[in-house]
Amino acid sequence: NAGVTQTPKFRVLKTGQSMTLLCAQDMNHEYMYWYRQDPGMGLRLIHYSVGEGTTAKGEVPDGYNVSRLKKQNFLLGLESAAPSQTSVYFCASSYDQAGVYSNQPQHFGDGTRLSIL
Amino acid sequence: GQQLNQSPQSMFIQEGEDVSMNCTSSSIFNTWLWYKQDPGEGPVLLIALYKAGELTSNGRLTAQFGITRKDSFLNISASIPSDVGIYFCAGPRTDTGRRALTFGSGTRLQVQP
Repeated sequence: NAGVTQTPKFRVLKTGQSMTLLCAQDMNHEYMYWYRQDPGMGLRLIHYSVGEGTTAKGEVPDGYNVSRLKKQNFLLGLESAAPSQTSVYFCASSYDQAGVYSNQPQHFGDGTRLSIL
Repeated sequence: GQQLNQSPQSMFIQEGEDVSMNCTSSSIFNTWLWYKQDPGEGPVLLIALYKAGELTSNGRLTAQFGITRKDSFLNISASIPSDVGIYFCAGPRTDTGRRALTFGSGTRLQVQP
């Protein structure tokens, strides 16, 4: 019953470093999402995927890249980290679009807390 | 855009009190969702609303889909300490063909035992 697993849970980077956040889901969901959560700003959509091999930009995509080479994995990359990317990152997945049906909602991981100095 | 405005931003109440919060938008939504985020965890869906005027309950939680389709309300009755968390409203984003959600900024609830 793993659901959505995010790794790592915490990371501190220096400005200019690169890293990849991994999201894995074991529910055979087609749709996957990456959000960032900042104080007072809710959850903002970075990128999303509607199936293996597809990706699309969300609300705040600049500075991030994503890949969905396998259906169960959605990777979020920071090529050159900036202090403005300090945030808590959440991955989510859903069976169908947006997870708007109460019996098939979006399932979230527990987040990755990223600090960039 | 499809911004969702939540109020209040935060609430500090005594255990046993009832709580009301709302979510408004300048755009029409055909679905309203309410999520709760416990400290250190990801959000979890509480209630989904699909029809204007709809009133739906989940235990002590009751949510309503506004008649104008531009707002929604969440009420919690007889609050308990485990109600602590951040409550988000959300709805499908038309700029993604409704394939993704937009979230409000959240209402942070603290309950004094």
